[in-house]
Amino acid sequence: EVQLLESGGGLVQPGGSLRLSCAVSGFTFSNYAMSWVRRAPGKGLEWVAGISHNAVSPYHAESVMGRFTISRDNSRNTLYLQMNSLRAEDTAVYYCAKDPIVGATPGSAPFDYWGQGTLVTVSS
Amino acid sequence: QLVLTQSPSASASPGASVKLTCTLSSGHSSYAIAWHQQQPEKGPRYLMKVNSDGSHTKGDGIPDRFSGSSSGAERSLIISSLQSEDEADYYCQAWGTWVFGGGTKLTVL
Repeated sequence: EVQLLESGGGLVQPGGSLRLSCAVSGFTFSNYAMSWVRRAPGKGLEWVAGISHNAVSPYHAESVMGRFTISRDNSRNTLYLQMNSLRAEDTAVYYCAKDPIVGATPGSAPFDYWGQGTLVTVSS
Repeated sequence: QLVLTQSPSASASPGASVKLTCTLSSGHSSYAIAWHQQQPEKGPRYLMKVNSDGSHTKGDGIPDRFSGSSSGAERSLIISSLQSEDEADYYCQAWGTWVFGGGTKLTVL
């Protein structure tokens, strides 16, 4: 059974930092690109960042470029999102999501599995 | 610029059918799309791919009550024999992109 379990969310002050983790099981993690997607209160889904299966190619949305960094550790079956210089508008539930095609470029096809999410609240 | 447009809300009664639509912006009418369902307090779940010719391929374990169709730039999700657990937000995503529609909140009255 494919499982994606996010952790690391919490309350942080504006300008602060957090690192999210997504531990996966039930599939060969190193074969698939992965992404982070968020949903702000009252809003829809927004893609945040994606990374190739071999960690060579990271991609970030313009809204987080220069502040967030996606990475992965294939030996630990874990995806990360380092979030710095956090703003109130980054408040959201953050989901990790799996691409469906082995070895494909990130975003080649829509996500086939998602995690349950971890809440990040940026507030003073 | 690729934009996916969804109605913000829809409603129907238990046992009825409902059709949710996702409209591709001008110049992008050949895109296939995916439908995702997000039930309250849960992560999203992949439902199906809908191609421009109306054919569709469902994800693992998706009930037969869910189907897809296409007409021009519109891609649709049809849910028949509505059940209370179908009350959720539904999002379309353009194939090969990270672009989502704004979502439709489905209420089962």
